[in-house]
This record gives sequence, structure tokens and C-alpha cells, in this order.
Amino acid sequence: QQQVKQSPQSLIVQKGGISIINCAYENTAFDYFPWYQQFPGKGPALLIAIRPDVSEKKEGRFTISFNKSAKQFSLHIMDSQPGDSATYFCAASLTNDYKLSFGAGTTVTVRA
Amino acid sequence: DTAVSQTPKYLVTQMGNDKSIKCEQNLGHDTMYWYKQDSKKFLKIMFSYNNKELIINETVPNRFSPKSPDKAHLNLHINSLELGDSAVYFCASKLQGWNTEAFFGQGTRLTVV
Repeated sequence: QQQVKQSPQSLIVQKGGISIINCAYENTAFDYFPWYQQFPGKGPALLIAIRPDVSEKKEGRFTISFNKSAKQFSLHIMDSQPGDSATYFCAASLTNDYKLSFGAGTTVTVRA
Repeated sequence: DTAVSQTPKYLVTQMGNDKSIKCEQNLGHDTMYWYKQDSKKFLKIMFSYNNKELIINETVPNRFSPKSPDKAHLNLHINSLELGDSAVYFCASKLQGWNTEAFFGQGTRLTVV
């Protein structure tokens, strides 16, 4: 049973465009929501993370928006670049829990 | 310096064989994981160790056996390999705590023929 649902499965965006990936969760006890970026042939790497007491977090061209009441969070990639082409995973974890539950992943392709 | 290193990077073997994947981290972390990534890129947690103690053991066939000789190492042994075991296996490590960053190795692509 997947605890974090992620959409879309894939998306294609033109260079300079905005990529938006959405995630939804059911367990209201989740209190840490990271996003991981994975390039082909590499392991996932932390991109940006947010806690539920914050509605938005921005790091460079990457922004997480968090809607606690809707139990949803999303990643926005502004001014998308070909180098952003990768698979993005949202994830969630509980306090005092070692487990990180991942979404199914979104493959982003940025066309030059 | 590689933070989380796995060996081998590629492993091709026949059905029924037994194989091991090794993982080492030099980050001083106390928690290590094994994840399986299938052909659809879904990341599924398999095991986790904290200070050499098994703390997560997901629904995984008992042909898979992890071993943590010390905090810096976590190995995965697989007996009687099956076609369905073909996947990329990732080792990861982090400091204990709910909001600490997990660092992943480069993965081991296992192909069972």
C-alpha cells in the first residue's frame, strides 16, 4: 500500500517552462516531506524538504508548496533547464520513525 | 571521497545462484538501509539497521538476508536468485532522526538470467 501518491508519472516541458509535480498523503502524522532527485544511473539525492508548519519553501528555482488541510504538497521547478531532466520522488516520514515512504516518481524531460 | 559506496555496480547471474552486495558509508551515520528499485523506478524499502540492530524488515522473501558487521557496513545476501529479483538495489545511510537527509549509493543493477 503506497502511503504517498505522486502524479504525473512523467512530464515534458520546454526549456524555461514550469514543471509541477503533485503528491498526496493520507497519514496526518507525517511530519517531514523531502523531495529527491535521481539522474539515470545514479542514486536519489535530496533536493529540498519541508515540514508541515511551513506552507512554502524555496531554494533557487525549486519550490515546495504544502497544503496541510488538503494533505497535499507539490514541487515547482521554475525556468526548467535541460539539466533538470531527471526522476523526482516525493517522500514522507513520521517522527521517531526510521522509514521514508516514497512516491512512485515523476520523470521530467526538459526539451531545449 | 564517495560517501556511500556499493559493490558491485553490476551483477549478472543465473537463476538459483547466491550473491552478495556490499555497502559501506564513511559519513559517520548510524542508520543504513536497503531499497529495491524496480523497472518502473518505484523505490521500496527492504531493510534498515540502526547501530547494527535490525529495525525495519519489510515483507521481503527470506531468501534476502542483510548483515551489518558494524555501523559503517551493511551487506545484502540473496539466496536462490529468481528472475523477479532483477532490479537496482540501493544502499542508503542517514543519521538517526526523522528529518535527517538520507544519502544513497550509486546502486547495484542485478540481472538474473
